[in-house]
Order: sequence, then C-alpha cells, then structure tokens
Amino acid sequence: DAGVIQSPRHEVTEMGQEVTLRCKPISGHNSLFWYRQTMMRGLELLIYFNNNVPIDDSGMPEDRFSAKMPNASFSTLKIQPSEPRDSAVYFCASSLGTGGDSPLHFGNGTRLTVT
Amino acid sequence: GQQVMQIPQYQHVQEGEDFTTYCNSSTTLSNIQWYKQRPGGHPVFLIQLVKSGEVKKQKRLTFQFGEAKKNSSLHITATQTTDVGTYFCAGRGANFGNEKLTFGTGTRLTIIP
Repeated sequence: DAGVIQSPRHEVTEMGQEVTLRCKPISGHNSLFWYRQTMMRGLELLIYFNNNVPIDDSGMPEDRFSAKMPNASFSTLKIQPSEPRDSAVYFCASSLGTGGDSPLHFGNGTRLTVT
Repeated sequence: GQQVMQIPQYQHVQEGEDFTTYCNSSTTLSNIQWYKQRPGGHPVFLIQLVKSGEVKKQKRLTFQFGEAKKNSSLHITATQTTDVGTYFCAGRGANFGNEKLTFGTGTRLTIIP
C-alpha cells in the first residue's frame, strides 16, 4: 500500500509566483482533504472533496487559493499569486466514507516557503 | 463555529513518568479521533471513540470519551522516548451541517531521558 503521495516535498518560491501542490490519494478512498499546518494556527482544513466533488471550501483563505480533483486519483492545490504568509506545511489526506467518520491517512506533506 | 481546544500546549516529562492531554469541544461530538505527529512527520491515526463514556486502551495508551461527548483524554503510562511528538484530537460535530472533522490545537510531548 503506497499511502497518500504528495509532491513536491519541498517548494521554495518567490512572492508572486504560482505554486501547485499535488496529491494522489489511497486507491479506493472517496474523500480527500487539504490541510495547512503552521505553528501559529495549527492544522487548518482548507477544503475537502467527496467523490471528487468539493463539499466544504470554507477554509480556503482567499481567492488566491484554488483546488481541483479532476478524478479519483489526483488532486491539486494552487496558490496564485503566492505570498510569504502562505509559508506552511500543506498536507493532503484521504479516507473512506464522507469524512470525519473514518481515519484520515495523511501524506508526508509539502513544505512551502515563499520569500 | 466548532472549536476544539487541547491542554496543555506543551508537556515535558521525565522518561517513565505518566502523561495526559485533554481535549475539549465547544459543541457535542459524534466521534473523536486521536492522532500522533512525530517531529518532522505527518499526523498518524491512533484511534477513534464513538460511544459516550467509552474507554479504549492501546498498550500504555488509554483513551477516554466523556459522558457528554464534548471532551476526551489521552493518558500514557510510563512514557518512553518513542512517545515524543504532538498529539492531536479531532472531533466530528454531531449537529446537522457541522459534521466536518475539526482538529484540536495539539499537545507537544517531549521526554527527558
């Protein structure tokens, strides 16, 4: 079992640049979550999908953030334009069920640094 | 919105001492999950509690769900260096329209050998 796969592991970019984070969930899982983790704010849910459909995007900070899930095996989180305050570790997680009633399986995360 | 707080934020213990972290929700929960995140790692699922007053054990770890389903605790007996990490609770709201999983603020455990 390969687990949740995220890429890249690390991303360093300059303010104003576009950043795209990628996630491959565990095969057969029908819910996918994007979290952001910082020291100040902890683990924040940005958006989650069920059966490839966005269910709750209330955690998306602003219009600079967008997420897509074109099929059951792939999702992206895009930030454009990026800002220094977006620096954080971004986790993707997947689970069976509709979310909250079964364990989340997290990827290794993408550490984003915006200078 | 739903808030989940954990105390303490940090805990330093001597190896062999016990450790407890407490989780409190502002709303009633349908279930609660616990995760452990090692330094530099990602959260890893430990357990899920569903029933009011439920107690579950995993070796030296004891998990409890409160009677009112608004709080939970994790107790580690005789800590070891492998217990180092941040422990998060995550609660799912019980009310319609509030079912998403909300992570607590976490308790970072460090062990003094």
